[in-house]
Amino acid sequence: AQSVSQHNHHVILSEAASLELGCNYSYGGTVNLFWYVQYPGQHLQLLLKYFSGDPLVKGIKGFEAEFIKSKFSFNLRKPSVQWSDTAEYFCAVMPSGTYKYIFGTGTRLKVLA
Amino acid sequence: NAGVMQNPRHLVRRRGQEARLRCSPMKGHSHVYWYRQLPEEGLKFMVYLQKENIIDESGMPKERFSAEFPKEGPSILRIQQVVRGDSAAYFCASSDRDPGSNTGELFFGEGSRLTVL
Repeated sequence: AQSVSQHNHHVILSEAASLELGCNYSYGGTVNLFWYVQYPGQHLQLLLKYFSGDPLVKGIKGFEAEFIKSKFSFNLRKPSVQWSDTAEYFCAVMPSGTYKYIFGTGTRLKVLA
Repeated sequence: NAGVMQNPRHLVRRRGQEARLRCSPMKGHSHVYWYRQLPEEGLKFMVYLQKENIIDESGMPKERFSAEFPKEGPSILRIQQVVRGDSAAYFCASSDRDPGSNTGELFFGEGSRLTVL
């Protein structure tokens, strides 16, 4: 069955630390990939997405993600986190030609000031 | 341009009662999706609707759950005879284009949190 794994459920970092959140999926075909963020008390917002082309995708607020097809991974990175990045981050996969987003269980990031 | 609007934000029901959750998609969006998030789990697809049509309800429990998206008015997710296990956050999302296209993006509402006592 198709699935998305986010291995880090809770991450605590100090401000200015570098961030990498893992995302692996199980699906053999072509996929579209997304990272969404949910700030406390707010709705999910799109951080970045990959459909095709350059596997290194840049999103909002200094985030980027790299699609490594051979590893079925789409890890999210940020060189220097801020307190305002405290949120829950969801990786999602949409097999091409479908409409179903398959979400990971989310990673709760807490950034200490 | 208002985003996806969901109401109520919080709903408390006793076992056996009915819960109705409403979702108004973004202006111009005709594709609506409902997802459920159980504690410590990711969002799970429930149903995909276009105006007056249920396209895919494969993620909906077979009993007690139903969804509609009428020609006029919001989409409604209805849960009859609620049980404690229905307690969850229910998210609605909308898009403005054929989800098979490669430029699809979902816009989410803030969710409706259902608590069943």
